[in-house]
Amino acid sequence: DIVMTQSPLSLPVTLGQPASISCRSSQSLVHKDGNTYLSWFQQRPGHSPRRLIYKLSNRDSGVPDRFSGGGSGTDFTLKISRVEAEDVGVYYCMQGTLWPYTFGQGTKLEIK
Amino acid sequence: EGQLVESGGGLVQPGGSLRLSCAASGFIFSSYDVHWVRQPVGKGLEWVSAIDSFTDTYYAASVKGRFTISRENAKKSLYLQMNSLRAEDTAVYYCARGTFGALDIWGQGTRVTVSS
Repeated sequence: DIVMTQSPLSLPVTLGQPASISCRSSQSLVHKDGNTYLSWFQQRPGHSPRRLIYKLSNRDSGVPDRFSGGGSGTDFTLKISRVEAEDVGVYYCMQGTLWPYTFGQGTKLEIK
Repeated sequence: EGQLVESGGGLVQPGGSLRLSCAASGFIFSSYDVHWVRQPVGKGLEWVSAIDSFTDTYYAASVKGRFTISRENAKKSLYLQMNSLRAEDTAVYYCARGTFGALDIWGQGTRVTVSS
């Protein structure tokens, strides 16, 4: 199985400042069809997860443009350009390139 | 947009069985992969199982041989039959729709507790 490793696991950020979360996979996530099936999810306290980014860098409808996804191969990043109070929660990466799908451990973002 | 609603969670003894259901609405259910993902209280997400539009099935190693995923397109429903339940299966179970190798619609979850 592909192992997804996130860092940091805890991320205190000042309002208005940028934030970055790293996700590394134990093998390349480039699918034989050429796509990279790496996605990012946000889970606010008490809520179901919400997809933010799919296929590496595609933002879901309604997701603010301060969120961006990037990277390649085995190394990926979720960036928030300016953190707002509503961004508090846990962020997960997930690979859908190979079965079984696997999640990272999660990164808890909090406001300093 | 679409919606997913889980049901069937509850308290079950170790070694027991439980069947979860997930009702879909607002999209062409038969055209999509559908998944189960679980989350122990206070912990991270764990992908459990999926069934694609061709009814091929996939499982995490932790549940293979004990859990069975199925779907009934005419009823727009997804199921998870869970047998030989263990304490470590205790979690909130979510169903989710798969698109582009990711999960774009999630239900609200149903809680399963395995305890004597």
